[in-house]
Amino acid sequence: GESVGLHLPTLSVQEGDNSIINCAYSNSASDYFIWYKQESGKGPQFIIDIRSNMDKRQGQRVTVLLNKTVKHLSLQIAATQPGDSAVYFCAEMYSSASKIIFGSGTRLSIRP
Amino acid sequence: EAGVAQSPRYKIIEKRQSVAFWCNPISGHATLYWYQQILGQGPKLLIQFQNNGVVDDSQLPKDRFSAERLKGVDSTLKIQPAKLEDSAVYLCASSLEGGAEAFFGQGTRLTVV
Repeated sequence: GESVGLHLPTLSVQEGDNSIINCAYSNSASDYFIWYKQESGKGPQFIIDIRSNMDKRQGQRVTVLLNKTVKHLSLQIAATQPGDSAVYFCAEMYSSASKIIFGSGTRLSIRP
Repeated sequence: EAGVAQSPRYKIIEKRQSVAFWCNPISGHATLYWYQQILGQGPKLLIQFQNNGVVDDSQLPKDRFSAERLKGVDSTLKIQPAKLEDSAVYLCASSLEGGAEAFFGQGTRLTVV
């Protein structure tokens, strides 16, 4: 069964503010944790990943934080834009099999 | 670079009929995934191929679902016979061997009536 889950099904953020999307996981054997973005009518799109031996990784306007003590993963989006509106999924991967397992998703909506 | 191609985009069938979906992954990607995404849920892994071999099919309902990846490139997913609960979007994805970045197609939306 799924071992990743998201705290909130929806998140509403003012345009220009930072967004924080959270995810809890239960399987400590995962090698990577990954964030995907899915826009309406499209397949998921890779945003960023983090190896299980790291605490933080930054990309363009995004930062992923991994807290292994409490098995918590977060995605921070800086200066949220209308184009960030989508459903965000956290996922985990086991390197030995390249198996990617998805959680249930958070819908991010942007207020003008 | 061409993305993952899937066809058809939409399909409506009656229950107990059969249906097939086709996927052409990104050239050079050894790993191919089929996911089922029911409305409002995250994608659920059905089957994973490494080249033309099955790595994981633990969540595939094998009494009605089958998949193959001939020559380690294109793949087809078949449902026979379909049930109402099979209504979902079927997503195909591919990645480099061992990569965390999977590239998804647009999916096939299946409606079973």
